[in-house]
Amino acid sequence: QKEVEQNSGPLSVPEGAIASLNCTYSDRVSQSFFWYRQYSGKSPELIMSIYSNGDKEDGRFTAQLNKASQYVSLLIRDSQPSDSATYLCAVEISSGSARQLTFGSGTQLTVLP
Amino acid sequence: DTGVSQDPRHKITKRGQNVTFRCDPISEHNRLYWYRQTLGQGPEFLTYFQNEAQLEKSRLLSDRFSAERPKGSFSTLEIQRTEQGDSAMYLCASSLNVGSPLHFGNGTRLTVT
Repeated sequence: QKEVEQNSGPLSVPEGAIASLNCTYSDRVSQSFFWYRQYSGKSPELIMSIYSNGDKEDGRFTAQLNKASQYVSLLIRDSQPSDSATYLCAVEISSGSARQLTFGSGTQLTVLP
Repeated sequence: DTGVSQDPRHKITKRGQNVTFRCDPISEHNRLYWYRQTLGQGPEFLTYFQNEAQLEKSRLLSDRFSAERPKGSFSTLEIQRTEQGDSAMYLCASSLNVGSPLHFGNGTRLTVT
């Protein structure tokens, strides 16, 4: 089992719809969770961070965290073609003597005009 | 704040040659990370520094890879005797504290022929 798992997609939604991206993780004591967006050929850029159970909203983006289920999701409301990118879930995972940020393989999202 | 800077942006080398990459983190960030990313995958952790101390190195990392951060500021990543399998995007990131989000540079794309 991978430490951080995402559906690779591709996920296609029409413009204006809600895109829902999901992520599960293996480390029960993880405390820090992030969503990054990565355009083709570019480096990841931070969209959201979430540390507590529940929802966190920032503009059109909502991150949801459920530590009991080891599940974190990202909702994108009113999706725009410019949201078309790969979305990476990142979780702080215990590894050796330290904790490090571990990424999923990403979900490719296409927003159709 | 000029962000994380990486140099060079692209590097093409022949198999067996040594290469060195440089990363300049955000100035007030104490933690510096190196990741590697191949097509269709999320970033894979390589190593990280807290100031000048290298605190963690991936168990999957070959002995041909070495990283330094001599004065707690910029960092270098060296790959000796490059192999075709080393071809990837090498990403540097920095963060302020444990649990803080990572901010990525634009990456160095390595091609080994």
